[in-house]
Amino acid sequence: GENVEQHPSTLSVQEGDSAVIKCTYSDSASNYFPWYKQELGKRPQLIIDIRSNVGEKKDQRIAVTLNKTAKHFSLHITETQPEDSAVYFCAGGDNFNKFYFGSGTKLNVKP
Amino acid sequence: GAVVSQHPSRVICKSGTSVKIECRSLDFQATTMFWYRQFPKQSLMLMATSNEGSKATYEQGVEKDKFLINHASLTLSTLTVTSAHPEDSSFYICSVQNPGESPLHFGNGTRLTVT
Repeated sequence: GENVEQHPSTLSVQEGDSAVIKCTYSDSASNYFPWYKQELGKRPQLIIDIRSNVGEKKDQRIAVTLNKTAKHFSLHITETQPEDSAVYFCAGGDNFNKFYFGSGTKLNVKP
Repeated sequence: GAVVSQHPSRVICKSGTSVKIECRSLDFQATTMFWYRQFPKQSLMLMATSNEGSKATYEQGVEKDKFLINHASLTLSTLTVTSAHPEDSSFYICSVQNPGESPLHFGNGTRLTVT
């Protein structure tokens, strides 16, 4: 099955700085890569996703890039705010099949 | 609004008892639902894929006789943790996927504590 690795496990940035989280995947058949934000004790919420036929996608302060050849994708958050503090998970899988999650990155944005 | 309803949100049970967790798809019919387990400060680990009208597909290392899954209708899947032990204490969370669309919609999760 798919194996998704995520780095770093923790990330601390100053408010206003950018944050980058990176993931790699193993299964070349995977074609859909969502990113989820999870606050303590709550369900994961989808924040952005990308399909394998696209190299980059942006939504306001959040962007995701995908390198199919290298099998890695990254989440970029610009102008970070304290409310961005949470655990972020990347995932990979087939469009209509099960997803496997990375190990998570705890982002702390210091005011 | 919520797409997935999961109950109960919290449950405490004694070792050796069984606990049933329900997951309902509110907005669409879901032929497939997924059950995940999340230990503190860890990732979501896929346990099994629940298939409406047929047997669930379990991930490697997950005991199918311990984690019973029933998907009797297009909107309801249940996970029963049988003969629970303290090491089964975890956050169990279900998810559904609208057929033809990609994103997973998660339930609010169930915090299980086995004493």
